[in-house]
Amino acid sequence: DGGITQSPKYLFRKEGQNVTLSCEQNLNHDAMYWYRQDPGQGLRLIYYSQIVNDFQKGDIAEGYSVSREKKESFPLTVTSAQKNPTAFYLCASQPGALHTGELFFGEGSRLTVL
Amino acid sequence: QKEVEQNSGPLSVPEGAIASLNCTYSDRGSQSFFWYRQYSGKSPELIMFIYSNGDKEDGRFTAQLNKASQYVSLLIRDSQPSDSATYLCAVGLDNYGQNFVFGPGTRLSVLP
Repeated sequence: DGGITQSPKYLFRKEGQNVTLSCEQNLNHDAMYWYRQDPGQGLRLIYYSQIVNDFQKGDIAEGYSVSREKKESFPLTVTSAQKNPTAFYLCASQPGALHTGELFFGEGSRLTVL
Repeated sequence: QKEVEQNSGPLSVPEGAIASLNCTYSDRGSQSFFWYRQYSGKSPELIMFIYSNGDKEDGRFTAQLNKASQYVSLLIRDSQPSDSATYLCAVGLDNYGQNFVFGPGTRLSVLP
């Protein structure tokens, strides 16, 4: 079955530690996205990538980093510079062109800073 | 600052009733409008999208768009307890995810 796989589902981090969230898709989609969701707020865009080896900052990129070395993979690193990293992180993808606009989401990763 | 607003709820309706969810947006250039359903602790899933003024129906769901009033709504007929979830409105300048703005969501509770 095609889809997006995020791991880990739950992650606990001590202050000052970097953590990396994995996102893998087998949908052959060109575009991939990372969103952050906090209670009572809409999804906010962290980073996105339209093609391999290229990515752009979203609205809240500070304290995060990404890479896109393969079409299938778009990992997100939450660095110690992110002041309030506790949140639900969602990875999503879209085809490259001629699509309805639907975002295909992974199951999410919940990060808690202790 | 582009904004999408939704009543956070909770909106409670009895089983079998019509649930009406509303969304307003600030950017008059918006062209694409989406409704996602998100169960607690899960990821969002697309319910409907609409591009043109008027109504669009899919089963028990109807999306309504009024660009002049900058308003989009989702009606759920014959509401079921399984419809209890948070409904996210997303508005975009085009179909690309980097140009979407999401509302905070409305929590719907359908009472048996």
